[in-house]
Amino acid sequence: EDKVVQSPLSLVVHEGDTVTLNCSYEVTNFRSLLWYKQEKKAPTFLFMLTSSGIEKKSGRLSSILDKKELFSILNITATQTGDSAVYLCAVERGTNAGKSTFGDGTTLTVKP
Amino acid sequence: DGGITQSPKYLFRKEGQNVTLSCEQNLNHDAMYWYRQDPGQGLRLIYYSQIVNDFQKGDIAEGYSVSREKKESFPLTVTSAQKNPTAFYLCASRPSGERNEQYFGPGTRLTVT
Repeated sequence: EDKVVQSPLSLVVHEGDTVTLNCSYEVTNFRSLLWYKQEKKAPTFLFMLTSSGIEKKSGRLSSILDKKELFSILNITATQTGDSAVYLCAVERGTNAGKSTFGDGTTLTVKP
Repeated sequence: DGGITQSPKYLFRKEGQNVTLSCEQNLNHDAMYWYRQDPGQGLRLIYYSQIVNDFQKGDIAEGYSVSREKKESFPLTVTSAQKNPTAFYLCASRPSGERNEQYFGPGTRLTVT
């Protein structure tokens, strides 16, 4: 059975802090790992990672994948209150294409 | 505007009644998904469909049914056999090809009493 574990489950920081969110996984025939941000209702896509060691970056957010150790991290620098959300990690298999397994998410709260 | 719509936003039902949640997309995506999200948890896959007239069970399909008669539509029926139906339900779609990200609808919050 595929497994995705995110840590920490929740995190409270102050504006300007840097945070690192973790996602470890066990999946048969790994295809990709995706990060989503869920603010109120619909998750929105952040990054897709398929290769080890290649950092994906978008503004203050960045993410990297380690396929040997089976984990990914999502970094957010200079956090803002608008970064407060649940961050979801999902992995997809190469077979059963399209079927993703999600972690339980990390709830990030950024205080002013 | 392209996107995914789910209706209604909030739904209340009495125990023992079947209820159907709507999901429509105009993104021309082949694949569609239904997830359930409980408080403090991630998304659990109920059913998914990669093409019209075909669908597969996800991890928690018991007590649910779906149909995929049109590319744009993927309704989910929560039957009376579902033991704990109160939850937040999210529908998603995904384009074909190498892009793996899913596009999510706004969700339906179902409360069964």
